[in-house]
Amino acid sequence: GENVEQHPSTLSVQEGDSAVIKCTYSDSASNYFPWYKQELGKRPQLIIDIRSNVGEKKDQRIAVTLNKTAKHFSLHITETQPEDSAVYFCAAKGGGADGLTFGKGTHLIIQP
Amino acid sequence: DTGVSQDPRHKITKRGQNVTFRCDPISEHNRLYWYRQTLGQGPEFLTYFQNEAQLEKSRLLSDRFSAERPKGSFSTLEIQRTEQGDSAMYLCASSLLMASGSYEQYFGPGTRLTVT
Repeated sequence: GENVEQHPSTLSVQEGDSAVIKCTYSDSASNYFPWYKQELGKRPQLIIDIRSNVGEKKDQRIAVTLNKTAKHFSLHITETQPEDSAVYFCAAKGGGADGLTFGKGTHLIIQP
Repeated sequence: DTGVSQDPRHKITKRGQNVTFRCDPISEHNRLYWYRQTLGQGPEFLTYFQNEAQLEKSRLLSDRFSAERPKGSFSTLEIQRTEQGDSAMYLCASSLLMASGSYEQYFGPGTRLTVT
């Protein structure tokens, strides 16, 4: 089955700086890669996603890049703000399955 | 609120008891998913339905777990003879299957189960 690795587990950045979270996946047939933000005690919230037919997608301060050859995708947050502090999860949907496989999460801390 | 809802939000039970959780998806969504999340981990897929048909089950779904979606709307997840290892947050998500496929999954607030 699919396996998703996520790094780093904790990321601390100064407010206003950029943050990058990286994930790799194992199933070359995976075709959908969402990113979720989860605040303490809250539900995972879909913040951006990318399908395997594109290499990059941007939504205001958030962007995701996908390298299918390397089986690698990344989340980029620019001009970080205190409200960006949360746990971020990457996920992948395999070609033969509909359930998402999640990474272990990155705790993003925005230092004032 | 037109999002995914779950009930109850919290459940405390003694080991060996049965518990049942309910999920109401976004009204037009035809796919419904169950995940389990333990502290410090990402959600783990358990099973999913398309309308009333259960199409996929994870190896994590032991025979003590059963899920139903009898009329293709709400779903229930039952755990029989609960064990302490079942303590977790049980999350439900829903999505819309379109001609291009099924992609965005939206999560409910979860049911936190504590087995004592």
